[in-house]
Amino acid sequence: AQSVSQHNHHVILSEAASLELGCNYSYGGTVNLFWYVQYPGQHLQLLLKYFSGDPLVKGIKGFEAEFIKSKFSFNLRKPSVQWSDTAEYFCAVSPATSGTYKYIFGTGTRLKVLA
Amino acid sequence: DTEVTQTPKHLVMGMTNKKSLKCEQHMGHRAMYWYKQKAKKPPELMFVYSYEKLSINESVPSRFSPECPNSSLLNLHLHALQPEDSALYLCASSQHNFLDRVYGYTFGSGTRLTVV
Repeated sequence: AQSVSQHNHHVILSEAASLELGCNYSYGGTVNLFWYVQYPGQHLQLLLKYFSGDPLVKGIKGFEAEFIKSKFSFNLRKPSVQWSDTAEYFCAVSPATSGTYKYIFGTGTRLKVLA
Repeated sequence: DTEVTQTPKHLVMGMTNKKSLKCEQHMGHRAMYWYKQKAKKPPELMFVYSYEKLSINESVPSRFSPECPNSSLLNLHLHALQPEDSALYLCASSQHNFLDRVYGYTFGSGTRLTVV
């Protein structure tokens, strides 16, 4: 069965620290990959996405992610976090086949940034 | 308009009630989704509509009944729910290119449902 793993459930960082959140998926075929963020009390927002091409993807708010096909990973990074990055982050995977619209979400990583 | 609008934002209903959740988008997206999110859990897919036709039902109990009257509107009809159905219900929509690939969802802010 397809699954998405986010190994870090809770992360606490000080402002200006670097961030890396792990995401691994299990699916043998081609996938589309996404990171979503959910700020406290708000809806899910798309941070970035990968479909093909350059495996290093840049998103909004200074976030980037790297797709490593051999490791089935799509880790999220930010060089210097801010207090406003406190949120829950979800990795999502969608099989890249025609007619498939299904996302599988990871369990989420709750990030707290200390001012 | 780049939003998915969900109403109501909060709903409290009894186990014998019938209620409906509404979702609307005017971005021309042709796929619409219902997700259920319990506290501190990821969203779980319930239904997918593609070009106003139900394409995926993730074995959701029949007390949840989706409806897509047109390409901009998605409803979720609720009847005889259980307290464990209390959750945040999220609607989302997405566009497709000619290869039917998904470009990422736009989520609504959700309806927080409490079943008493």
